[in-house]
Amino acid sequence: DGGITQSPKYLFRKEGQNVTLSCEQNLNHDAMYWYRQDPGQGLRLIYYSQIVNDFQKGDIAEGYSVSREKKESFPLTVTSAQKNPTAFYLCASSIERRNSPLHFGNGTRLTVT
Amino acid sequence: GESVGLHLPTLSVQEGDNSIINCAYSNSASDYFIWYKQESGKGPQFIIDIRSNMDKRQGQRVTVLLNKTVKHLSLQIAATQPGDSAVYFCAENRKTSYDKVIFGPGTSLSVIP
Repeated sequence: DGGITQSPKYLFRKEGQNVTLSCEQNLNHDAMYWYRQDPGQGLRLIYYSQIVNDFQKGDIAEGYSVSREKKESFPLTVTSAQKNPTAFYLCASSIERRNSPLHFGNGTRLTVT
Repeated sequence: GESVGLHLPTLSVQEGDNSIINCAYSNSASDYFIWYKQESGKGPQFIIDIRSNMDKRQGQRVTVLLNKTVKHLSLQIAATQPGDSAVYFCAENRKTSYDKVIFGPGTSLSVIP
């Protein structure tokens, strides 16, 4: 079955440590995205990539970094510079950048203490 | 400012009744709208979409209505079932420098058996 796989589902880290969240898709989509979801809030865009070796900052990119070395993979690193990293992180992909629905993974819940 | 908002943050309906979830958007330049369903602990799942050149679109048990005059979007679910219990998000695709997708904060739908 085609889809987006995020791992791990739960992740715990100590404050001051960088952590990388995995996102893999086998939908052959060019565009991939990372969103952050906090309780009672809509999704906020962290980074997006329209094609391999290219990515752009979203609305809340500070304290995060990404890479897009392969079409299938779009890992997100939460750095120690992110002031409030505890959240639910969602990866998504779409066939086209505009006017096409997003396909989401089942998320990674990151807790930093 | 930019916003996609919901009139009701929570909605409870009896099983078998119809549900209506409302959404207001603020930017008349938006040309594509999507409804997502998110179950607890999972990523959002695409339900139905509509482009701005339409005012109604029907799917299986769901209908989306778009009123561009008052910038209002609604999702109607017929014969609501317990499996419909979830948080529902509307999203708009807005034309900006990077084709921004704006998500609303979500409406929690609870179906009473």
